[in-house]
Amino acid sequence: EAQVTQNPRYLITVTGKKLTVTCSQNMNHEYMSWYRQDPGLGLRQIYYSMNVEVTDKGDVPEGYKVSRKEKRNFPLILESPSPNQTSLYFCASRLGGPYNEQFFGPGTRLTVL
Amino acid sequence: QKEVEQDPGPLSVPEGAIVSLNCTYSNSAFQYFMWYRQYSRKGPELLMYTYSSGNKEDGRFTAQVDKSSKYISLFIRDSQPSDSATYLCAMRGSDGGATNKLIFGTGTLLAVQP
Repeated sequence: EAQVTQNPRYLITVTGKKLTVTCSQNMNHEYMSWYRQDPGLGLRQIYYSMNVEVTDKGDVPEGYKVSRKEKRNFPLILESPSPNQTSLYFCASRLGGPYNEQFFGPGTRLTVL
Repeated sequence: QKEVEQDPGPLSVPEGAIVSLNCTYSNSAFQYFMWYRQYSRKGPELLMYTYSSGNKEDGRFTAQVDKSSKYISLFIRDSQPSDSATYLCAMRGSDGGATNKLIFGTGTLLAVQP
């Protein structure tokens, strides 16, 4: 089944404790991105990657890191999480080009205390 | 001003009603227009995808784009309780730029009452 998977689905952590949210897709998509979804603000892009070893900042990159060492994986790293990073996070992927469907993962609900 | 504006709702309708969901936008460069449906505790799923102006129909769903007014709509006919979800509009340009980034509306929460 073609899909984007994320782990963990739910995470409660404390301020300053480094964490990684994994994302993997099995559709051989070049383009991957991370979003956070907050009430009243909608989906905002954190980082994106156009292919292996090519990453760039989205609209809200502060406090996050990413890497793209393999085509299928795109982990999101929070080196020192803070309460304002409490949010619902989605990984997404698609083929390159503008007329291609973007597939979303199931989401990771992160709470930083 | 946000690039994409969408009424957050909530919108509550009886089963069988016609639902109209709308977004306005400010960037005339947008060429691709999408509607995503997001059920509670799930990721968004693509529902409709149109290019430039015009209508597109798929079963009970019709998407309309009016580029002159910078206004897009999603109509749901014979709405069902299973249509209860958050509907997000999204759009992007076609400039072949580095991201072709999708810009999302904030979503409209729809509840269809049986």
